[in-house]
Amino acid sequence: DAGVTQSPTHLIKTRGQQVTLRCSPKSGHDTVSWYQQALGQGPQFIFQYYEEEERQRGNFPDRFSGHQFPNYSSELNVNALLLGDSALYLCASSRGAEPPEKLFFGSGTQLSVL
Amino acid sequence: GQNIDQPTEMTATEGAIVQINCTYQTSGFNGLFWYQQHAGEAPTFLSYNVLDGLEEKGRFSSFLSRSKGYSYLLLKELQMKDSASYLCAVRDAGNNRKLIWGLGTSLAVNP
Repeated sequence: DAGVTQSPTHLIKTRGQQVTLRCSPKSGHDTVSWYQQALGQGPQFIFQYYEEEERQRGNFPDRFSGHQFPNYSSELNVNALLLGDSALYLCASSRGAEPPEKLFFGSGTQLSVL
Repeated sequence: GQNIDQPTEMTATEGAIVQINCTYQTSGFNGLFWYQQHAGEAPTFLSYNVLDGLEEKGRFSSFLSRSKGYSYLLLKELQMKDSASYLCAVRDAGNNRKLIWGLGTSLAVNP
């Protein structure tokens, strides 16, 4: 049973570029949440997708957008990259959008913006 | 406002017991989670409390007092592999049920 998988594992971009990160949820899960984790910080919630719609959103600008596909996989897109976007981006999957859902995290994508 | 407070760092000795505290202030409450995160790895679920009291799961236990906005994670018979960051997260019922995360407590277990 594959857990949550994310790609790529590492990425280097320059300011102003755009990036797309991908996530496949754990088998049987239909909800995907994206988090940004800066070094030494706790995860910061970006948004959650359920039934191919954005259900919740954290305090992130519109440069951060996402998508969920019919197979429940998801993408996180970040436009006009800033140096401050450098972080570990974590994808977490769960079953259903109602709490208490236990989150299963992927290993993350380490994004470096130069 | 929303706030989760945890100690930044703790150290303990192998075989000992350590208690990691978490206090929270949220507009609502719909459960508290503890996650473990080893350096360079993803967080993994440890425990969930929604009612007051102690939840025991092997060497790990988690306690909740909703009236005090307080929780702790108790780790017994510490092992070297328990060296990790421990994240407290609260689901805020008043904020569209979002998970609010603490900054994590970095625990170092020494031999």
